[in-house]
Amino acid sequence: GNSVTQMEGPVTLSEEAFLTINCTYTATGYPSLFWYVQYPGEGLQLLLKATKADDKGSNKGFEATYRKETTSFHLEKGSVQVSDSAVYFCALSETRIGNQFYFGTGTSLTVIP
Amino acid sequence: DGGITQSPKYLFRKEGQNVTLSCEQNLNHDAMYWYRQDPGQGLRLIYYSQIVNDFQKGDIAEGYSVSREKKESFPLTVTSAQKNPTAFYLCASRASELVSNEQFFGPGTRLTVL
Repeated sequence: GNSVTQMEGPVTLSEEAFLTINCTYTATGYPSLFWYVQYPGEGLQLLLKATKADDKGSNKGFEATYRKETTSFHLEKGSVQVSDSAVYFCALSETRIGNQFYFGTGTSLTVIP
Repeated sequence: DGGITQSPKYLFRKEGQNVTLSCEQNLNHDAMYWYRQDPGQGLRLIYYSQIVNDFQKGDIAEGYSVSREKKESFPLTVTSAQKNPTAFYLCASRASELVSNEQFFGPGTRLTVL
């Protein structure tokens, strides 16, 4: 079946530190992979996506590379800001009946000045 | 501006009462979804609909009901049969069955049972 596993949180970093949030997946076919971000009390917003192996998604300084050989899609940012404090969700979508998304449990990030 | 609206933002209900959460989208998306989010947890799929007048149960459909009479609307009813309804509810939509298309989310409704 399909599933997504994210690193446990919460994560606390100082401003300008390097961020990595690990995400691995299990899929029966060739999924697309996504990172979403959720700010307190709000819905989820798409941060970036990759649709095939070796694709790199990037947005607002965040990057993630679709690694088929390690079934991973780790999120990275070189220098975090206080405004990056949020919960980050890794997700996959695969063509199957139902056209569903599969989300990880989310990783909470707090950036302190 | 295109997007998804959910109302109300906060909702309170007494035990034993049914309550309906609204979800409207003007993105002309075919597919719509309802998720439940509990504190510190991920999203769990309640119901989804790929076309008008058709919907399927997700992982936690018990105690919930939906309808899809119009493409732009997908209301969720939380019935008295739902044992623990206090949660944050998120509605989402998606353009088509293309795997690469992302889901767009509404701002959510926080339901509290008193």
